[in-house]
Parts: sequence; C-alpha cells; structure tokens
Amino acid sequence: ETGVTQTPRHLVMGMTNKKSLKCEQHLGHNAMYWYKQSAKKPLELMFVYNFKEQTENNSVPSRFSPECPNSSHLFLHLHTLQPEDSALYLCASSPIAKAGHYNEQFFGPGTRLTVL
Amino acid sequence: AQKVTQAQTEISVVEKEDVTLDCVYETRDTTYYLFWYKQPPSGELVFLIRRNSFDEQNEISGRYSWNFQKSTSSFNFTITASQVVDSAVYFCALSETDYNQGGKLIFGQGTELSVKP
Repeated sequence: ETGVTQTPRHLVMGMTNKKSLKCEQHLGHNAMYWYKQSAKKPLELMFVYNFKEQTENNSVPSRFSPECPNSSHLFLHLHTLQPEDSALYLCASSPIAKAGHYNEQFFGPGTRLTVL
Repeated sequence: AQKVTQAQTEISVVEKEDVTLDCVYETRDTTYYLFWYKQPPSGELVFLIRRNSFDEQNEISGRYSWNFQKSTSSFNFTITASQVVDSAVYFCALSETDYNQGGKLIFGQGTELSVKP
C-alpha cells in the first residue's frame, strides 16, 4: 500500500462546477501539504497543515479551499475555477520535525486537473 | 530570499552514459536542508536524498551520487551508467528551517532526463 494516496487521479471540470480532491496518508505523519505543479513551472506550495491546523496559506485564491479533518486526511475543495488552474495537484505529508532536524516529505501521485 | 536553480531544462543521454544534474541554491540561513526528488511519468515525487548544511560529505547510493559544495552553493546529482528507467523529471529542493510551520520546500524548475536505449 502506498504511503500517500490521492483521488481522483484525473479530473475534468467546468468553470462553474464544484469538486473536491482528497488526500490520505498512511504514514502516521502530522503535517500535510498541497502543491500545485503547472507545466514548465516549479512546484508551488499552496497550503500547510500541522496537527490539523493550517499554518501556511501561500496567497492562494479563495476558489481553493482546503480542509483537514484529521492528521490523515486532507481535502482541497474547488469552485469556480479558471482554465489557468489546470495543473497537477500534489499532496504530501511529513512527520513534525524535532528541533534542529527536518523530515522529508512524502508525496502522493497527484490529481491531474483540467478546467474547461 | 531562498531560491533553487536547475539550469538544465532537458537532458538526453544514451543508456550507460553518466549524467550530472546541476542544482544551485540561494539562502541566508546557516542551517538548511537540500533534497533531490525524482518524478517519473506516473507523477508521484519519489524522495531520493536529504542533506543538511553541516554535512558536506559526498554520498553514493548504487548508481547515484551527490556532490554538495557549500563554497559554490551547489548540490549536484550524478547518475552513473544511466538506464532507461532513470528517465524522469528530477527536482532539487531547499527547505526553510522554520520547521514549526511544518517545513516548506522550495523547488527548482526540474530537469527532464531522457535516457534512450
């Protein structure tokens, strides 16, 4: 079983639709992340959650709404998206780092989103 | 500001050739971490290595090796005797040390490696 799963793997939606992306981690981690990967661009961090609390919102438009009901699940609710929001959305998780250390992030396979 | 630059957008080699992927970073932190990730066509980023700023020892893992040089702010990745399965996009990343925020990764643009048989 993979450590971080994401559903759906592919999603096509119109600009007026509402959809949600789901991420689940089976690694016992306490931090979860959403990234956006557009073509020919670096990965962009969108949101960070530590112990279910949002600790980072990287100037993301309000049409993206994250939800973290527990440390194992993370959602990204989408509404009234634009065609430029088409991208690969990656979820990641990591343990909370101890002082002076850092733990690597483990990524899911991503959801390929196309906005028509 | 922190920044990671991977100047090579695409590299194409023939199987069994050695290939080096370059990574240059900028940071004002004295403590930081560097990473390499592999992204095969399936999309999932696969963690390859983490290196902290106090450890400049080079590392070898099978056909993979990493050369970390603080003097030039570089963390280059070499694949020896490349194979078709090495074809992927490779990302170099730098972490902020504000780990109370869960740790943010700043990624480079990625280098797409194509290994031809």
